Amino acid sequence: EAGVTQFPSHSVIEKGQTVTLRCDPISGHDNLYWYRRVMGKEIKFLLHFVKESKQDESGMPNNRFLAERTGGTYSTLKVQPAELEDSGVYFCASSPDRQGSAFFGQGTRLTVV
Amino acid sequence: AQSVSQHNHHVILSEAASLELGCNYSYGGTVNLFWYVQYPGQHLQLLLKYFSGDPLVKGIKGFEAEFIKSKFSFNLRKPSVQWSDTAEYFCAVIGPYNTDKLIFGTGTRLQVFP
Repeated sequence: EAGVTQFPSHSVIEKGQTVTLRCDPISGHDNLYWYRRVMGKEIKFLLHFVKESKQDESGMPNNRFLAERTGGTYSTLKVQPAELEDSGVYFCASSPDRQGSAFFGQGTRLTVV
Repeated sequence: AQSVSQHNHHVILSEAASLELGCNYSYGGTVNLFWYVQYPGQHLQLLLKYFSGDPLVKGIKGFEAEFIKSKFSFNLRKPSVQWSDTAEYFCAVIGPYNTDKLIFGTGTRLQVFP
């Protein structure tokens, strides 16, 4: 069974550009989460989808971040325009239930220069 | 605000040494507790979890953790580490306010030398 896959694995962009991160959850997992780790700090929650609906987006930093989950399958996280402080590793996770035992992807390392 | 503290940021051990990584969380009530591990170049994976019942939880690869409610702690232990345990370890908690987003600690980087 395929795990959670994220694309790209690395992205280097200039300040002001747009970047779109993609996450493919494990098939059949209704719950999809985005997290972010800024260098040296803790992994922080960004948002949670249940199927195609945003259940909780309390962790989204500001309106430069837009997450979608088309048809309840894959999800994208777009940053527009990117700022230096957006650099970090963005993790996606999926779960069949809402009890925290999520399966994580390898993450996308985003560097904004 | 809910928070998780991991006291050790970087731990260096020789093979066969015993390991204990500290984890404390900041609030009472019913919580679900987790330890995740990230091996070099790999994804985060679940080591073990505590929801209820026996406070001594056994996970994969010989790891265990003990939930001590009175101390708000969930320390990770392994009696004898191996070089392959070199990784970053994250303590995380869910709850108690009917939410299922994980609150992570800052992580502990473990290096094990042969």
